[in-house]
Amino acid sequence: NAGVTQTPKFQVLKTGQSMTLQCAQDMNHNSMYWYRQDPGMGLRLIYYSASEGTTDKGEVPNGYNVSRLNKREFSLRLESAAPSQTSVYFCASKSREYSNQPQHFGDGTRLSIL
Amino acid sequence: KQEVTQIPAALSVPEGENLVLNCSFTDSAIYNLQWFRQDPGKGLTSLLLIQSSQREQTSGRLNASLDKSSGRSTLYIAASQPGDSATYLCAVSDDYKLSFGAGTTVTVRA
Repeated sequence: NAGVTQTPKFQVLKTGQSMTLQCAQDMNHNSMYWYRQDPGMGLRLIYYSASEGTTDKGEVPNGYNVSRLNKREFSLRLESAAPSQTSVYFCASKSREYSNQPQHFGDGTRLSIL
Repeated sequence: KQEVTQIPAALSVPEGENLVLNCSFTDSAIYNLQWFRQDPGKGLTSLLLIQSSQREQTSGRLNASLDKSSGRSTLYIAASQPGDSATYLCAVSDDYKLSFGAGTTVTVRA
């Protein structure tokens, strides 16, 4: 009963390096989300995908790109990592938009940028 | 822009005491409100979801109320246990976006 799976769990990068965070869900959900969580702050939405083939910016999209590879997978890419992107990144999914169903979260990717 | 505030930021209680966690939000035009639990190093687990037309939801020892007009929600946890120690997050939803509070970190002392 995997739910939402994120890889990797931990990563250390140098400033300027690039990397892709992977997310997959096995609940046949239409909507997927990427958040970041910083100390003392709530989660903030980076990008979301309401359905396969669509992506939209959230509250803090600068410095990130996303790909909705298929219905199961939604990846987040940092093209040129900056220390300000040190954070914990969470992927979430939900059955569909405009539904009173909860979002389901992965365990997060802890990313440090030196 | 929706602002969500949770007070207090941290709370320590002896085992058996009832917990009261507060959440306030600035825009009453919400779709629903959710309470989540987060354990250290883990993701978020949904506890309760209250639809905008509802006043409260209950699950076991947990009860959450919603007053949209005043922009407030309260999570009650009855007869707290050490296993309830975690961070509790409140989030409000408009059509697609969840806006989160910073959370209340609860410690239940045995």
